[in-house]
Amino acid sequence: GQNIDQPTEMTATEGAIVQINCTYQTSGFNGLFWYQQHAGEAPTFLSYNVLDGLEEKGRFSSFLSRSKGYSYLLLKELQMKDSASYLCAVPLYNQGGKLIFGQGTELSVKP
Amino acid sequence: KAGVTQTPRYLIKTRGQQVTLSCSPISGHRSVSWYQQTPGQGLQFLFEYFSETQRNKGNFPGRFSGRQFSNSRSEMNVSTLELGDSALYLCASSSPGTSGASSYNEQFFGPGTRLTVL
Repeated sequence: GQNIDQPTEMTATEGAIVQINCTYQTSGFNGLFWYQQHAGEAPTFLSYNVLDGLEEKGRFSSFLSRSKGYSYLLLKELQMKDSASYLCAVPLYNQGGKLIFGQGTELSVKP
Repeated sequence: KAGVTQTPRYLIKTRGQQVTLSCSPISGHRSVSWYQQTPGQGLQFLFEYFSETQRNKGNFPGRFSGRQFSNSRSEMNVSTLELGDSALYLCASSSPGTSGASSYNEQFFGPGTRLTVL
């Protein structure tokens, strides 16, 4: 079966760094996506990792360890606008565009 | 390039009615996936269409159905609405690789249709 776990909510301070973890169990592996979703809006793509290691994209970085079934999203220099839900998702192996999402981590950035 | 569009954006229905939601993918995208998002269950996969064929299906009852047209536009239908069907319905389009598999490709989400069942 498939299972994705991430913390329900996190709070951080403006200007700080926050790490949002995601663990997954899937049969087969086709990579892992991170999406950002602001309240009332559609999810927007942040990153896609298919190989182990850290991928950096501006203030956001995403890490993957396939052997541990683990990923994290690192947000640096937090801004108030980063308050949103962060969704971890894995595409199912050999099942086309089907994505399985975690419940999402609601991040609140405080001044 | 225009993004994914969904209509209507908001909808209020009563129990027992049926509803049809529409999704227009990004031009050139042939894969359209539908998701239901609720506070309790999060984002759950409904089904995916590729070249007018349903390629994958999630664990939803038969009241939920969909189709895709030759221009890749997709519709989903929910019959005999229940209170629990109140949710944000999102569609996402992606561009499959030459093999037809879209797992490796980013899915672009539309703004969603907020359905309220009274």
